[in-house]
Amino acid sequence: NAGVMQNPRHLVRRRGQEARLRCSPMKGHSHVYWYRQLPEEGLKFMVYLQKENIIDESGMPKERFSAEFPKEGPSILRIQQVVRGDSAAYFCASSPPGGLKTGELFFGEGSRLTVL
Amino acid sequence: AQSVTQPDIHITVSEGASLELRCNYSYGATPYLFWYVQSPGQGLQLLLKYFSGDTLVQGIKGFEAEFKRSQSSFNLRKPSVHWSDAAEYFCAVGDRGNTPLVFGKGTRLSVIA
Repeated sequence: NAGVMQNPRHLVRRRGQEARLRCSPMKGHSHVYWYRQLPEEGLKFMVYLQKENIIDESGMPKERFSAEFPKEGPSILRIQQVVRGDSAAYFCASSPPGGLKTGELFFGEGSRLTVL
Repeated sequence: AQSVTQPDIHITVSEGASLELRCNYSYGATPYLFWYVQSPGQGLQLLLKYFSGDTLVQGIKGFEAEFKRSQSSFNLRKPSVHWSDAAEYFCAVGDRGNTPLVFGKGTRLSVIA
């Protein structure tokens, strides 16, 4: 059973470039959540998606950040024109069709973005 | 709005000693409560969860946690710590809908010989 797969595990970008982070949820899971982790800040919620729908993007910065979860393929978190402050670990989590009513999130191992 | 407080940023315990990590939450109704563990460079793994019923829940790796509604707490305990328990521990709160989990800032556990 494959877990939540994230790639790349590590990504280095220069200021102004674009970063694309991918997340394939666990088999059978239809809910995807993205979180950002900064040192000593814990995990901050960014966006919650179901297939082809953004359900909650209240934690997403209004500019430069976008997310999608297409009918086919992985969920993608896109950061345009990266700045040094975007350097962080980005975690994807998934849950089954019942969402959190079934109890828990399953996390990937994260994508660590470094902006030079 | 939901919130989680983990008062201890860093705790050091001796191997074999008991452990208690504190977690306080703010939530209007009965919450879902979780403890996750994160090893360096890794993702988060669920240790245990509370939805309802018995307020003392057992988890993996010998951990347990007790839900105390009167204190809005969900502290994590382990009677005897092993060196492999050194990691970061996160408490999280959720509700019965699909609102995303809210996490505390974490407690880093160091284990010394």
